Amino acid sequence: AQKVTQAQTEISVVEKEDVTLDCVYETRDTTYYLFWYKQPPSGELVFLIRRNSFDEQNEISGRYSWNFQKSTSSFNFTITASQVVDSAVYFCALILPGYQLIWGAGTKLIIKP
Amino acid sequence: DGGITQSPKYLFRKEGQNVTLSCEQNLNHDAMYWYRQDPGQGLRLIYYSQIVNDFQKGDIAEGYSVSREKKESFPLTVTSAQKNPTAFYLCATMPHDRGLMNTEAFFGQGTRLTVV
Repeated sequence: AQKVTQAQTEISVVEKEDVTLDCVYETRDTTYYLFWYKQPPSGELVFLIRRNSFDEQNEISGRYSWNFQKSTSSFNFTITASQVVDSAVYFCALILPGYQLIWGAGTKLIIKP
Repeated sequence: DGGITQSPKYLFRKEGQNVTLSCEQNLNHDAMYWYRQDPGQGLRLIYYSQIVNDFQKGDIAEGYSVSREKKESFPLTVTSAQKNPTAFYLCATMPHDRGLMNTEAFFGQGTRLTVV
């Protein structure tokens, strides 16, 4: 089965706390790509990061970091020192050969001031 | 500016009426997608098209129809057969010329459809 699971429906933290959003995927393909997107209240999805199945190097971009582990089929996203502006719905997605997109259900992140 | 334009942003429909949502792109992307999003829910694929004059049903195509007569345009019609059409509709595109390793999905700003 090809599937992306974001088990956390909603997370609420106080500003400046660190928070990790989980993403677990299933695929039979050996070549695939994983994405994270942010959907702010305005509705438009914004691309955050792409990671390919052959590159397990973690990535850091400012307060954002991503941890990709093939052994556990996970691609988790951590926000350090969260801010109110980080409040949004975050989606993890898998793209397979043939440009098939598989989306997780999303995690709603609420950052309280 | 290059991008994806969805119109209108808000749309109200009376029960029993068909309505068409517009999605236009000037990014020269090959693939176009329509998604439906209900409150607190993820994205569900309605239809997608990889090339002009060809499209495939997604997971929830019943009650919807599309056309892809031009590369730039992928309108979605919500028909009266769709029993619960109130939702947020997102159009997305994806280039194929970069190869899978460099592609990503680009999204429009969405259309919020309400049946009154």
